[in-house]
Amino acid sequence: QQKVQQSPESLIVPEGGMASLNCTSSDRNVDYFWWYRQHSGKSPKMLMSIFSNGEKEEGRFTVHLNKASLHTSLHIRDSQPSDSALYLCAASTGGYKVVFGSGTRLLVSP
Amino acid sequence: EAAVTQSPRNKVAVTGGKVTLSCNQTNNHNNMYWYRQDTGHGLRLIHYSYGAGSTEKGDIPDGYKASRPSQENFSLILELATPSQTSVYFCASGGGFNQDTQYFGPGTRLLVL
Repeated sequence: QQKVQQSPESLIVPEGGMASLNCTSSDRNVDYFWWYRQHSGKSPKMLMSIFSNGEKEEGRFTVHLNKASLHTSLHIRDSQPSDSALYLCAASTGGYKVVFGSGTRLLVSP
Repeated sequence: EAAVTQSPRNKVAVTGGKVTLSCNQTNNHNNMYWYRQDTGHGLRLIHYSYGAGSTEKGDIPDGYKASRPSQENFSLILELATPSQTSVYFCASGGGFNQDTQYFGPGTRLLVL
C-alpha cells in the first residue's frame, strides 16, 4: 500500500520569508503529485499539481519534482499570514485512487 | 469551480445507531470519494466510486458502506456507529484536466456518543 510521507510536520516562518515543504512517495509507480492547501475549518483545495520532472512556478509558489527519488517539494516565497494552513501532498499511480500524506502545518508569523 | 455539497454539516449520533452522510456534485465528474480526517492522519480514503452503480473499498472501509445511485450522488453509511467513527468526513469529486484532481465538499462533522 502506497504511503506518502511529508516533512516537517509543522513549520513556522516569518512574514516575507521562504517556506519549504517536502513530500515523498513509497510507490515507484507514482506518476502524479498534487499539493492541496486547507485553511483551518475549511476543506482542502488544490494548489498545484506536477506530473513531469522539473519545476513549475505559479506566482509565489514553486513545485519541484524528482521522479527518480519519488520526491516533490513546495516552496512559498514572500510568505504571508494568509498562507498559514495545513498543506497536504497527494500522489497517484494513475488509477482512480489518490493517497494523501498527513500534512505540514505552516504558520506564518507577522 | 466544481461544486460539491454535503449534508448534514454537523451530526450527533448514538452508539449503535445508523448514520447516512450524503454528497452531491453538479459537475458531471465520474469519480467520487469519501475521506475522514483526524488529527495526525491527514485524509484517509474510506470508499470511492468511478461511476454510477460502482463502489470500491478504500484504505479504511471497515464499518462503512457506500452507495452511488447516480452520477451526482454518493452516500456514506454507518450501519452501527461507534465512538471511534467520530471524525470530520469529506466528500470529493474528480474531474477537470486530470481525473484525479479532486474537489472537496465543505465536510461533515460527526460526533458519536
